[in-house]
Amino acid sequence: ETGVTQTPRHLVMGMTNKKSLKCEQHLGHNAMYWYKQSAKKPLELMFVYSLEERVENNSVPSRFSPECPNSSHLFLHLHTLQPEDSALYLCASSQDPNQPQHFGDGTRLSIL
Amino acid sequence: TQLLEQSPQFLSIQEGENLTVYCNSSSVFSSLQWYRQEPGEGPVLLVTVVTGGEVKKLKRLTFQFGDARKDSSLHITAAQTGDTGLYLCAGANRDDKIIFGKGTRLHILP
Repeated sequence: ETGVTQTPRHLVMGMTNKKSLKCEQHLGHNAMYWYKQSAKKPLELMFVYSLEERVENNSVPSRFSPECPNSSHLFLHLHTLQPEDSALYLCASSQDPNQPQHFGDGTRLSIL
Repeated sequence: TQLLEQSPQFLSIQEGENLTVYCNSSSVFSSLQWYRQEPGEGPVLLVTVVTGGEVKKLKRLTFQFGDARKDSSLHITAAQTGDTGLYLCAGANRDDKIIFGKGTRLHILP
C-alpha cells in the first residue's frame, strides 16, 4: 500500500463521545500534518509533526489532541467536540516540514 | 497575516474553452504549489514553482510564478470535464510556513 491513508472516511459522533482519527503514510516522509477543511474557508493547518516531535500547534482547542507514535502514523484524538467542528479533516505528509505535501482523502466528521 | 487570494472563487465554462485562474499576495513566497482537489478526495500536488518568472507546463496546464514571487497563475487550454475540481494554491513564506488560499472551484460543462 502506498500514499497517505486515513480512517475512517466518515464519522458521525455526539458532542460527548470520544473518537480518534488515524493517518498512515508509506512514503518514508519525516513530516506529518493535520488540516481542517470547512466550506468557504482556506485549509487550516492544525498540527505539524517532524520526526515524531510536534513542531507546530496553531492555537487549536484542547478538545483536539494529536499523537504521533512513529514517523508513519498520526492520530487525532477527539473529545467533547462542538457542532462547528464538523468538517473534513485531512492528513498530509512531506519529506521535510513545509515542503510540498501528499494528502490523504480525509475523514468527513459530523458532530450531532 | 499573510494571505493568498485566489480568483475567481467559482468558474463554470464549456468544454474546449481556455481559462486562467490567479493566486495573489502582497507578500513574497520562497515557493508556491498548486493542488487540485476532486470531490471526496484530498488535494493532489500538481506543480511547485520556485524561481521568479518561472513557467512550468503539465500537458494542457501552464503555471507561472510572478517575477516578484508574490503571485501565480494557472492557465488551462481546451478545458476538459476531467479538469473539474477545486484548485488550491499554497505558498511557503520566509518563515518556511505554508499557507493555503481558499481555492477556485472550477466546473467544466460537457
